[in-house]
Amino acid sequence: GAVVSQHPSRVICKSGTSVKIECRSLDFQATTMFWYRQFPKQSLMLMATSNEGSKATYEQGVEKDKFLINHASLTLSTLTVTSAHPEDSSFYICSARGAGTDTQYFGPGTRLTVL
Amino acid sequence: GENVEQHPSTLSVQEGDSAVIKCTYSDSASNYFPWYKQELGKRPQLIIDIRSNVGEKKDQRIAVTLNKTAKHFSLHITETQPEDSAVYFCAAKVNTGNQFYFGTGTSLTVIP
Repeated sequence: GAVVSQHPSRVICKSGTSVKIECRSLDFQATTMFWYRQFPKQSLMLMATSNEGSKATYEQGVEKDKFLINHASLTLSTLTVTSAHPEDSSFYICSARGAGTDTQYFGPGTRLTVL
Repeated sequence: GENVEQHPSTLSVQEGDSAVIKCTYSDSASNYFPWYKQELGKRPQLIIDIRSNVGEKKDQRIAVTLNKTAKHFSLHITETQPEDSAVYFCAAKVNTGNQFYFGTGTSLTVIP
């Protein structure tokens, strides 16, 4: 299957700082990328959908000014958590989908801890 | 929008027995149904998927069945092994949309 990488895998930051998470499709062009948040023992909560070269579509209740998403190329999307607070601590997972396919391939996730 | 329900939330089986996880969906326009396996702290991995024009699909010990009329689909794992222990998520995708609607997950434990 297709490979999606995510960096960093783990990050600890102080409250009020910003954190950038990168999601890359390594062996295919991802026309659409998705960002999810997952709490312990819970399902994947979709935060936003981004198509290459256009603005992300955010799900209801997700603050677009707090969770900045950029999908500047067909292999890279970034999620920036701005002015992070302890309640933003979570597991963030991206997924990518190529053109003409429904299948999403997930990155390994980023564990964010805000102190 | 689409609503996906998944049952049971936890499932324990003896090694060698079968495990069945069921999902229902609400939107008849959904046409793609993947199943993901997620081990603790790791990424969800696609294990099998089915499209609405097919009633059943099998891949070795794993099979998925789809009943479009009743709007439900199920994952069947036969001859379970301890390494099958994980959380399994079903999902549905509406044919006109981008995103997946995920079920709440089933934590499967295979007892050696």
